[in-house]
Amino acid sequence: GESVGLHLPTLSVQEGDNSIINCAYSNSASDYFIWYKQESGKGPQFIIDIRSNMDKRQGQRVTVLLNKTVKHLSLQIAATQPGDSAVYFCAESTSYGKLTFGQGTILTVHP
Amino acid sequence: ETGVTQTPRHLVMGMTNKKSLKCEQHLGHNAMYWYKQSAKKPLELMFVYNFKEQTENNSVPSRFSPECPNSSHLFLHLHTLQPEDSALYLCASSHPDSNQPQHFGDGTRLSIL
Repeated sequence: GESVGLHLPTLSVQEGDNSIINCAYSNSASDYFIWYKQESGKGPQFIIDIRSNMDKRQGQRVTVLLNKTVKHLSLQIAATQPGDSAVYFCAESTSYGKLTFGQGTILTVHP
Repeated sequence: ETGVTQTPRHLVMGMTNKKSLKCEQHLGHNAMYWYKQSAKKPLELMFVYNFKEQTENNSVPSRFSPECPNSSHLFLHLHTLQPEDSALYLCASSHPDSNQPQHFGDGTRLSIL
């Protein structure tokens, strides 16, 4: 069935390092993917999205990579800052407005 | 300011109470959603509204009753809830297109006594 999962539940990095958060999905029909950031006491905040006709998309300090062959999605954060500490979720969509979310990865950035 | 505002931010209620959660969006979207977020679980989609019409009910118990009077407002009416209903309830909105991101409010933290 449809599922989105994360390889690592926690990730600790030093300030200034690059971070990579991974996500596996199982539905090969998924055609749209989103990364969200959720800070304590707040709702998920949209970071970046990618459609299945692309394999890479860049934003400000973030890059999302999509490998449809192995059904893998990753979020790269350059020069990670303490303010990047949060839970990161990937989500996939195969139909009208219905997102399936992974469990999330906790990113901790140490000064 | 997220563009999606939820009230109240925190709610404590007994199992016999009736209360309502409110969501308002100022993003011009026509699709609105209710999600439940429990500890150690992925976000669970509860309801979807498109142009004020409910298009999805994800097998949600009838003690949760949604209402969408217009495209900017969404309510979740609660009655005779159970302790396992304690969770963060998130509202989101988007353009009604499968390839558009959903934008979330900060949620209502609900505790059932």
